[in-house]
Amino acid sequence: GQSLEQPSEVTAVEGAIVQINCTYQTSGFYGLSWYQQHDGGAPTFLSYNALDGLEETGRFSSFLSRSDSYGYLLLQELQMKDSASYFCAVLNTGGFKTIFGAGTRLFVKA
Amino acid sequence: EPEVTQTPSHQVTQMGQEVILRCVPISNHLYFYWYRQILGQKVEFLVSFYNNEISEKSEIFDDQFSVERPDGSNFTLKIRSTKLEDSAMYFCASSEAPGSSNEQFFGPGTRLTVL
Repeated sequence: GQSLEQPSEVTAVEGAIVQINCTYQTSGFYGLSWYQQHDGGAPTFLSYNALDGLEETGRFSSFLSRSDSYGYLLLQELQMKDSASYFCAVLNTGGFKTIFGAGTRLFVKA
Repeated sequence: EPEVTQTPSHQVTQMGQEVILRCVPISNHLYFYWYRQILGQKVEFLVSFYNNEISEKSEIFDDQFSVERPDGSNFTLKIRSTKLEDSAMYFCASSEAPGSSNEQFFGPGTRLTVL
């Protein structure tokens, strides 16, 4: 089977840095994606890691360690608009099946 | 900017009825997906579709469900004999190719309510 673990909630203040961890167990790992979802909205793609290491896109970075079955999303210079749910998602071999984690609800306080 | 569109935005149906949810993926995308999300829960993979056939499907995607690309632009999800537990938000998504950046573009969703 496949499973992903991520914290249910994280709270941080504006301007801070927050890291959302994700560990996974899967057969046929292909890559790890991160999505953001605001209340009532659709998931929006943030980043994707297929290889070990750090991918940086503006204020957001994502890291993957395949040997540890672990990744994280790093959000810097937090803004109020970053308050949302963040999902890690594992792609299986071939990339045709995407399994989402339960999501981490991020609250950004002033 | 190109986007995935879905119709209707909200569908209300009686238990046992059939519904068809419609999606128009981004025009140059080749890979299509359906997901569902029960209120307050995680996004659940239903099915992926490429080259006019199903590539992968989940355990949720049983004989009650079917997908079709009836023409060059639409991608539909049919749910036969709906059940109360089918009430959820259904998202369509498309991508250029899986496994590259694997960016999947999601539509705004169809909220299905089964009474």
